[in-house]
Amino acid sequence: GNSVTQMEGPVTLSEEAFLTINCTYTATGYPSLFWYVQYPGEGLQLLLKATKADDKGSNKGFEATYRKETTSFHLEKGSVQVSDSAVYFCALSETQAGGSYIPTFGRGTSLIVHP
Amino acid sequence: NAGVTQTPKFRILKIGQSMTLQCAQDMNHNYMYWYRQDPGMGLKLIYYSVGAGITDKGEVPNGYNVSRSTTEDFPLRLELAAPSQTSVYFCASSYSEETQYFGPGTRLLVL
Repeated sequence: GNSVTQMEGPVTLSEEAFLTINCTYTATGYPSLFWYVQYPGEGLQLLLKATKADDKGSNKGFEATYRKETTSFHLEKGSVQVSDSAVYFCALSETQAGGSYIPTFGRGTSLIVHP
Repeated sequence: NAGVTQTPKFRILKIGQSMTLQCAQDMNHNYMYWYRQDPGMGLKLIYYSVGAGITDKGEVPNGYNVSRSTTEDFPLRLELAAPSQTSVYFCASSYSEETQYFGPGTRLLVL
């Protein structure tokens, strides 16, 4: 079945540092890939997505490129802020047998940014 | 649009009690989902629905039931609460394979 593997956290950085959170996936076909962010006490919200190979998703200074050859979708940001402290989830969505779309989530990576 | 709404926000149950977690969306999404989130464990899919009248089990359906009589509503029923069901429950909706929209969550404590 499908799976998503994320680097374990917490990731602790100083403000303005460079961020990478690794995500690799296993899928049978051509899934859409997502990064969601969860701020403390809230539900998940979409950060960015990519729907086909070599697409780059971007939002709020975050970027991720859909790499089919390495089955990866790593999240990057050039300069993190304290307000970026949250839990980040990598996810994929692919058509299942029978035609339904069931998403698969990684376990989440906690990011802590210090001033 | 209100998006995805969930009630209650927090609830304490005694072992063996029952309750229904409510979820509603006003985006006319066909897909709706229930997840539970345990600390450090990510999200686990409990049940999902691809449209009114159609539901199916996810990864961890035992101890839960759902119904989908309308496009908007997708309640989750706990019949006999157990301590293992202490968790944060999230409802989400989407239009097929596209972005999921999550509710704010329900924190459930079973004592």
